[in-house]
Parts: sequence; C-alpha cells; structure tokens
Amino acid sequence: SQQGEEDPQALSIQEGENATMNCSYKTSINNLQWYRQNSGRGLVHLILIRSNEREKHSGRLRVTLDTSKKSSSLLITASRAADTASYFCATGSGYALNFGKGTSLLVTP
Amino acid sequence: GAGVSQTPSNKVTEKGKYVELRCDPISGHTALYWYRQSLGQGPEFLIYFQGTGAADDSGLPNDRFFAVRPEGSVSTLKIQRTERGDSAVYLCASSLTPRASGAEAFFGQGTRLTVV
Repeated sequence: SQQGEEDPQALSIQEGENATMNCSYKTSINNLQWYRQNSGRGLVHLILIRSNEREKHSGRLRVTLDTSKKSSSLLITASRAADTASYFCATGSGYALNFGKGTSLLVTP
Repeated sequence: GAGVSQTPSNKVTEKGKYVELRCDPISGHTALYWYRQSLGQGPEFLIYFQGTGAADDSGLPNDRFFAVRPEGSVSTLKIQRTERGDSAVYLCASSLTPRASGAEAFFGQGTRLTVV
C-alpha cells in the first residue's frame, strides 16, 4: 500500500520560478526521503530528512518536515528545464520504502 | 559496477509465459530491494533481501512471483504464467546497509515488462 500522498499531482511552471510540492503520510516515520524520476525509469535520491529535523537544504532544494501534521514539502528554487520530472516522497520505519503517486513537474523555458 | 544494473531494459512477453528479470546491485551492498511501478503510480515494494535471504517478501502479489539472490549479490525476479496485469516497470535498488538505518537506496533504471 502507498503511504505518502503528493500534492499537487501535476505542476507546470516557467524556468526561474520556484516549485513547491507537498507530501502527507499516515503513520509514524523515522525519516522521509524525496526522489526524482525521469521518464518513468530509475529513481534518483534527492534528500533525506530525519524525524527530529524540521528543515534541510541541499543546493536548490529545501525540504521541511512537520511530524505533528504528518506532512513534508519540497521546494525547488530557481527551477530549470532539466528539473522536469516526477517527484516522490517516500517513508518507512523499516527497510521498505513506501512511495506516494508523485508530483509531475513540468518546467518550460 | 558503478550503479545498479538491471537487464533487460525492456521485455515483451506473451500471456502465460515465464520471465526472469535480473538485478546486479552495487558491489558490496548487502541490502537489495525489488519494487514494481504501474503507470501513473509510485513504486510498490515487493521483496527485500539482506544477504542471500529474503528478509521480507510480503509485497509479492501472489505465488506466481518469486525472487532469489543465491550468492548475496545478483538477484533474479521470476514471474510464472504472466498476466497482462503484470505489465509494469520493475525496479531494483540496493543499499550498503539495511534502509532502516537510514542508508540511501540506489535504484536501477528498471525493466519495463509488457505482457501481451
């Protein structure tokens, strides 16, 4: 079963704009991860945020986590056409990752 | 190798046939995972190996699906009597240690299985 749910399902922006995607989950977690997937194939790990962290940065990525609301957000600043992809949040307290359905991001030049 | 390698990248098979999908994890990674991703969905967990043993196969949908990892490295996902509903991208991932410790999982490019 899928644990996380991303919102929105699809997002279209222009280059240079910021993109914000949200993820809600249902059960307690040890950490939450964000992945990117191009063209429906391999997933690339972007960032991991632990349950005792509230915010984390990596380059143009900013992730927040609110365990009281069971939600996380991924912000991509100054987006580029190459950021066009599907983005998934993944949770799991054990060894299996539980993915949502993803947000499809389109960045147009 | 440098990354997780999956072969074949694409497989078309007829309904009722048997297929094998191969995953070659990153060298030294003890944990290996199989996921299945249907169109428009996120990946769904199938099975997890720690070393040679399947530590959790609770995600396998039915007994037509089976996976092995005999030497603790390469893994093969086997599907018997394939059905059209088995059509999906099958993803393999590996991590240096079990993911529960927070280890990053590295994914292969997947095998796109189409059952006609």
